[in-house]
Amino acid sequence: LAKTTQPISMDSYEGQEVNITCSHNNIATNDYITWYQQFPSQGPRFIIQGYKTKVTNEVASLFIPADRKSSTLSLPRVSLSDTAVYYCLVGDHNAGNMLTFGGGTRLMVKP
Amino acid sequence: NAGVTQTPKFRVLKTGQSMTLLCAQDMNHEYMYWYRQDPGMGLRLIHYSVGEGTTAKGEVPDGYNVSRLKKQNFLLGLESAAPSQTSVYFCASEAFQSPDTQYFGPGTRLTVL
Repeated sequence: LAKTTQPISMDSYEGQEVNITCSHNNIATNDYITWYQQFPSQGPRFIIQGYKTKVTNEVASLFIPADRKSSTLSLPRVSLSDTAVYYCLVGDHNAGNMLTFGGGTRLMVKP
Repeated sequence: NAGVTQTPKFRVLKTGQSMTLLCAQDMNHEYMYWYRQDPGMGLRLIHYSVGEGTTAKGEVPDGYNVSRLKKQNFLLGLESAAPSQTSVYFCASEAFQSPDTQYFGPGTRLTVL
């Protein structure tokens, strides 16, 4: 399983754009990159997934460079409700895959 | 459509007692997972199942057993609870056609005294 490294914590202010970068140097050819969000006392929630270049949905954007050794989750104009832990996961794109949740990045959005 | 539900939400056990946690999903997902999350930590996979009647060990399987007799249910058992099993337990399910996209339940907070 590819190992991921991401910052332990980040602070931001309401209305700002937040970029969280994840490093996954030993990503394999078949691996996809998936990001989850977890609020206190809740289970993680899928945010976005990508393989290469850029993916955008109603919640976030995911930027993946050509070498795929890193990825950046971009949250536009964050609000207080975006305060959560964000996990970057890399796994073989097969169902039944054992995803490894590391410590994640604890994002604190301040007023 | 309730998604993934877990029973119970909270439980306190004494060391040596046994219990079963129930996970149910109504999305007809093929794959189901049990994780534990200790305070301030990420999730660790205990056991998982890729289909009815099949189970497999995850990262931290010791002290736990699982069963998947029906596609919609995944049971996690603790035969002899230990204080080290105090944690929050999350169940998740995943569709075959959407790999790595897991849907999580609300969690069960277990305390072993």
